Amino acid sequence: EVQLVESGGGLVQPGRSLRLSCAASGFTFDDYAMHWVRQAPGKGLEWVSAITWNSETIDYADSVKGRFTISRDNAKSSLYLQMNTLRAEDTALYYCVKDVGYYIYGRFDSWGQGTLVTVSS
Amino acid sequence: DIQMTQSPSSLSASVGDRVTITCRASQGIRNDLGWYQQKPGKAPKRLMFSASTLQSGVPSRFAGSGSGTEFTLTISGLQPEDFATYFCVQHNTYPYTFGQGTKLEIK
Repeated sequence: EVQLVESGGGLVQPGRSLRLSCAASGFTFDDYAMHWVRQAPGKGLEWVSAITWNSETIDYADSVKGRFTISRDNAKSSLYLQMNTLRAEDTALYYCVKDVGYYIYGRFDSWGQGTLVTVSS
Repeated sequence: DIQMTQSPSSLSASVGDRVTITCRASQGIRNDLGWYQQKPGKAPKRLMFSASTLQSGVPSRFAGSGSGTEFTLTISGLQPEDFATYFCVQHNTYPYTFGQGTKLEIK
Protein backbone atom coordinates (compact mmCIF):
# COMPACT_ATOMS: atom_id res chain seq x y z
CA GLU A 1 0.00 0.00 0.00
CA VAL A 2 1.32 3.43 -0.95
CA GLN A 3 2.05 5.61 2.05
CA LEU A 4 3.16 9.22 1.96
CA VAL A 5 3.86 10.82 5.32
CA GLU A 6 4.63 14.52 5.46
CA SER A 7 6.43 16.23 8.31
CA GLY A 8 8.18 19.47 9.13
CA GLY A 9 5.23 21.83 9.25
CA GLY A 10 4.70 24.30 12.06
CA LEU A 11 4.40 27.94 13.02
CA VAL A 12 7.02 30.21 11.49
CA GLN A 13 7.46 33.96 11.28
CA PRO A 14 7.24 35.81 7.98
CA GLY A 15 10.57 35.90 6.20
CA ARG A 16 11.85 32.75 7.86
CA SER A 17 12.45 29.30 6.39
CA LEU A 18 11.03 25.82 6.83
CA ARG A 19 11.82 22.46 5.30
CA LEU A 20 9.10 19.91 4.67
CA SER A 21 9.79 16.22 4.26
CA CYS A 22 7.75 13.38 2.83
CA ALA A 23 8.60 9.78 3.63
CA ALA A 24 7.37 7.38 0.96
CA SER A 25 6.76 3.66 1.27
CA GLY A 26 4.83 0.89 -0.40
CA PHE A 27 6.19 1.57 -3.88
CA THR A 28 9.50 2.00 -5.71
CA PHE A 29 10.03 5.69 -5.01
CA ASP A 30 12.62 6.29 -7.72
CA ASP A 31 10.21 5.10 -10.41
CA TYR A 32 7.91 8.08 -9.97
CA ALA A 33 7.76 11.83 -10.28
CA MET A 34 6.47 13.62 -7.20
CA HIS A 35 4.63 16.84 -6.37
CA TRP A 36 3.79 19.22 -3.58
CA VAL A 37 0.25 20.58 -3.52
CA ARG A 38 -1.12 22.96 -0.90
CA GLN A 39 -4.46 24.09 0.42
CA ALA A 40 -4.85 27.34 2.29
CA PRO A 41 -7.49 27.41 5.04
CA GLY A 42 -10.93 27.69 3.49
CA LYS A 43 -9.46 27.88 -0.01
CA GLY A 44 -9.00 25.58 -2.97
CA LEU A 45 -6.01 23.45 -3.81
CA GLU A 46 -2.91 24.86 -5.47
CA TRP A 47 -0.18 22.89 -7.21
CA VAL A 48 3.20 24.05 -5.87
CA SER A 49 6.03 22.09 -7.41
CA ALA A 50 7.01 18.88 -9.20
CA ILE A 51 10.16 16.83 -9.73
CA THR A 52 10.91 13.93 -12.05
CA TRP A 53 12.25 10.62 -10.83
CA ASN A 54 15.86 11.61 -11.45
CA SER A 55 15.50 15.30 -10.46
CA GLU A 56 16.34 16.38 -14.01
CA THR A 57 13.15 18.32 -14.49
CA ILE A 58 11.72 20.55 -11.79
CA ASP A 59 8.81 22.97 -12.01
CA TYR A 60 7.27 25.54 -9.71
CA ALA A 61 4.14 27.60 -9.48
CA ASP A 62 4.86 31.27 -10.10
CA SER A 63 3.73 32.06 -6.55
CA VAL A 64 6.70 30.16 -5.06
CA LYS A 65 9.32 30.38 -7.80
CA GLY A 66 12.61 31.70 -6.44
CA ARG A 67 11.61 31.02 -2.82
CA PHE A 68 10.86 27.29 -2.68
CA THR A 69 13.12 24.41 -3.71
CA ILE A 70 11.93 20.86 -4.28
CA SER A 71 14.36 17.97 -4.00
CA ARG A 72 14.39 14.25 -3.44
CA ASP A 73 16.67 11.56 -2.05
CA ASN A 74 15.84 8.31 -3.79
CA ALA A 75 18.10 6.32 -1.47
CA LYS A 76 15.94 7.47 1.42
CA SER A 77 12.62 7.38 -0.46
CA SER A 78 12.07 10.96 0.57
CA LEU A 79 10.81 14.17 -0.97
CA TYR A 80 11.58 17.61 0.37
CA LEU A 81 10.40 21.17 0.04
CA GLN A 82 12.72 23.92 1.23
CA MET A 83 10.63 27.03 1.79
CA ASN A 84 12.45 30.33 2.18
CA THR A 85 11.26 33.90 2.68
CA LEU A 86 7.89 32.64 3.84
CA ARG A 87 4.84 34.87 3.57
CA ALA A 88 1.48 34.85 5.29
CA GLU A 89 -0.08 33.64 2.04
CA ASP A 90 2.04 30.48 2.21
CA THR A 91 -0.03 29.36 5.18
CA ALA A 92 -1.58 26.08 4.08
CA LEU A 93 -1.77 22.35 4.47
CA TYR A 94 0.98 20.94 2.27
CA TYR A 95 0.42 17.58 0.59
CA CYS A 96 3.02 15.25 -0.85
CA VAL A 97 1.60 13.66 -4.00
CA LYS A 98 2.77 10.82 -6.22
CA ASP A 99 2.50 10.93 -10.00
CA VAL A 100 1.87 7.91 -12.21
CA GLY A 101 5.28 7.52 -13.83
CA TYR A 102 8.87 8.66 -14.15
CA TYR A 103 8.01 12.02 -15.64
CA ILE A 104 5.68 14.84 -14.71
CA TYR A 105 2.21 13.94 -15.97
CA GLY A 106 0.21 15.75 -13.32
CA ARG A 107 -1.86 12.67 -12.65
CA PHE A 108 -2.03 12.76 -8.88
CA ASP A 109 -2.13 9.11 -8.06
CA SER A 110 -1.73 9.05 -4.26
CA TRP A 111 -1.70 11.74 -1.61
CA GLY A 112 -0.38 12.08 1.89
CA GLN A 113 -2.48 13.54 4.70
CA GLY A 114 -0.56 16.80 4.71
CA THR A 115 1.50 18.89 7.07
CA LEU A 116 0.30 22.30 8.21
CA VAL A 117 2.45 25.38 7.72
CA THR A 118 1.37 28.57 9.48
CA VAL A 119 3.22 31.77 8.69
CA SER A 120 2.48 34.40 11.29
CA SER A 121 4.23 36.81 13.60
CA ASP B 1 -3.52 29.77 -16.18
CA ILE B 2 -6.46 27.53 -16.97
CA GLN B 3 -9.37 28.28 -14.65
CA MET B 4 -11.44 25.35 -13.46
CA THR B 5 -14.93 26.38 -12.46
CA GLN B 6 -16.63 23.72 -10.39
CA SER B 7 -20.32 23.69 -9.51
CA PRO B 8 -22.15 23.51 -7.31
CA SER B 9 -19.96 24.47 -4.36
CA SER B 10 -22.25 22.49 -2.07
CA LEU B 11 -24.97 19.96 -2.56
CA SER B 12 -27.49 18.33 -0.26
CA ALA B 13 -28.77 14.88 -1.16
CA SER B 14 -30.18 11.71 0.33
CA VAL B 15 -28.92 8.16 0.35
CA GLY B 16 -29.93 6.56 -2.92
CA ASP B 17 -30.03 9.83 -4.88
CA ARG B 18 -28.17 10.54 -8.09
CA VAL B 19 -26.02 13.68 -8.13
CA THR B 20 -23.93 15.43 -10.75
CA ILE B 21 -20.97 17.73 -10.26
CA THR B 22 -19.58 19.82 -13.10
CA CYS B 23 -16.16 21.24 -13.88
CA ARG B 24 -15.66 23.72 -16.70
CA ALA B 25 -12.24 24.60 -18.02
CA SER B 26 -11.48 28.09 -19.32
CA GLN B 27 -9.86 26.50 -22.38
CA GLY B 28 -9.81 23.06 -23.91
CA ILE B 29 -7.93 20.42 -21.95
CA ARG B 30 -8.81 17.34 -24.04
CA ASN B 31 -9.63 14.71 -21.41
CA ASP B 32 -6.74 15.61 -19.07
CA LEU B 33 -8.87 15.75 -15.95
CA GLY B 34 -9.08 13.84 -12.71
CA TRP B 35 -11.74 13.64 -10.02
CA TYR B 36 -10.94 13.20 -6.34
CA GLN B 37 -12.82 12.60 -3.13
CA GLN B 38 -11.69 14.12 0.14
CA LYS B 39 -12.97 13.40 3.63
CA PRO B 40 -12.06 15.54 6.66
CA GLY B 41 -8.60 14.75 7.97
CA LYS B 42 -7.95 12.20 5.26
CA ALA B 43 -5.79 12.18 2.16
CA PRO B 44 -7.63 12.89 -1.09
CA LYS B 45 -8.50 9.76 -3.02
CA ARG B 46 -8.48 9.55 -6.81
CA LEU B 47 -11.78 8.42 -8.29
CA MET B 48 -11.34 9.03 -11.99
CA PHE B 49 -8.58 9.84 -14.44
CA SER B 50 -8.60 10.82 -18.09
CA ALA B 51 -12.04 12.29 -17.34
CA SER B 52 -13.92 9.01 -17.55
CA THR B 53 -11.65 6.15 -16.49
CA LEU B 54 -12.57 4.71 -13.13
CA GLN B 55 -9.70 4.23 -10.71
CA SER B 56 -9.25 0.60 -9.73
CA GLY B 57 -11.25 -0.24 -6.62
CA VAL B 58 -13.68 2.66 -6.96
CA PRO B 59 -17.33 1.58 -7.08
CA SER B 60 -19.05 1.67 -10.44
CA ARG B 61 -21.71 4.07 -9.11
CA PHE B 62 -19.13 6.78 -9.87
CA ALA B 63 -18.99 7.85 -13.50
CA GLY B 64 -17.12 10.61 -15.27
CA SER B 65 -17.70 12.13 -18.66
CA GLY B 66 -16.68 15.04 -20.81
CA SER B 67 -13.91 16.33 -22.99
CA GLY B 68 -12.60 19.71 -24.00
CA THR B 69 -14.03 22.23 -21.56
CA GLU B 70 -16.94 20.55 -19.80
CA PHE B 71 -16.77 17.59 -17.46
CA THR B 72 -19.13 15.87 -15.10
CA LEU B 73 -18.88 13.47 -12.21
CA THR B 74 -22.07 11.55 -11.53
CA ILE B 75 -22.71 9.43 -8.47
CA SER B 76 -25.68 7.11 -8.84
CA GLY B 77 -27.27 5.60 -5.77
CA LEU B 78 -25.52 7.64 -3.10
CA GLN B 79 -24.15 5.65 -0.20
CA PRO B 80 -23.46 7.03 3.29
CA GLU B 81 -19.70 6.83 2.68
CA ASP B 82 -20.02 9.10 -0.38
CA PHE B 83 -20.74 12.21 1.64
CA ALA B 84 -17.49 14.11 1.24
CA THR B 85 -15.88 16.89 -0.77
CA TYR B 86 -15.14 16.31 -4.44
CA PHE B 87 -12.75 18.24 -6.65
CA CYS B 88 -11.44 18.15 -10.17
CA VAL B 89 -7.95 18.95 -11.43
CA GLN B 90 -6.64 19.53 -14.93
CA HIS B 91 -3.21 18.24 -15.92
CA ASN B 92 -3.18 19.43 -19.50
CA THR B 93 -1.18 22.61 -18.98
CA TYR B 94 1.11 24.04 -16.33
CA PRO B 95 0.29 25.11 -13.78
CA TYR B 96 -2.08 22.29 -12.92
CA THR B 97 -5.25 23.83 -11.55
CA PHE B 98 -8.09 22.65 -9.39
CA GLY B 99 -11.78 23.23 -9.10
CA GLN B 100 -12.89 24.88 -5.87
CA GLY B 101 -14.54 21.73 -4.62
CA THR B 102 -18.08 20.51 -4.03
CA LYS B 103 -19.16 19.58 -0.54
CA LEU B 104 -21.75 16.82 -0.69
CA GLU B 105 -23.85 16.71 2.45
CA ILE B 106 -26.62 14.49 3.70
CA LYS B 107 -30.07 16.02 3.40
